[in-house]
Amino acid sequence: ETGVTQTPRHLVMGMTNKKSLKCEQHLGHNAMYWYKQSAKKPLELMFVYNFKEQTENNSVPSRFSPECPNSSHLFLHLHTLQPEDSALYLCASSPRGVGGTPETQYFGPGTRLLVL
Amino acid sequence: QKEVEQDPGPLSVPEGAIVSLNCTYSNSAFQYFMWYRQYSRKGPELLMYTYSSGNKEDGRFTAQVDKSSKYISLFIRDSQPSDSATYLCAMSGNEKLTFGTGTRLTIIP
Repeated sequence: ETGVTQTPRHLVMGMTNKKSLKCEQHLGHNAMYWYKQSAKKPLELMFVYNFKEQTENNSVPSRFSPECPNSSHLFLHLHTLQPEDSALYLCASSPRGVGGTPETQYFGPGTRLLVL
Repeated sequence: QKEVEQDPGPLSVPEGAIVSLNCTYSNSAFQYFMWYRQYSRKGPELLMYTYSSGNKEDGRFTAQVDKSSKYISLFIRDSQPSDSATYLCAMSGNEKLTFGTGTRLTIIP
């Protein structure tokens, strides 16, 4: 295990539902990330938090809403999603965030999301 | 043109063979190069991390970076069935990582 946990591991939701994904890191890192992984596409960076402050929003639709209450926890709130949002959502953490020498990122197992 | 190009495979080789996985890139600002391994139903795990050009070896794995050609490679010697996974290259200048699409590798016993 990498020290990054994600819940739930699987989620099926309708387009009108509201759900949240949770990520927790036990590594003492300062930066946390949300990525989207779709088949045959590179990982897409969605959001970056550095010391609990959002430092990057990679043109993500507003139906995805991140929340970082502290440097160990990260949430992704979902509402009125579309079927094309079905993907694996990965959380990652690193010792330091963007702006300095890039540190390696450690990933959680992901949440497999299916939007019907 | 994509910033990072990686052949998605799938690639199947017999057990014991040497495997070569490659990525090319277009951004000459990239200085940090990584290889991640992702097993089915798991998140990516860091396998190798190199800075600038040169080789780095770790057990059966060798990472090679040729910045002049904008080309990176991962070699796996004496491949094992447990090496069957998707291998993602990733690279960075000073900020966010840019990933390849991943190469799906199967080692046949």
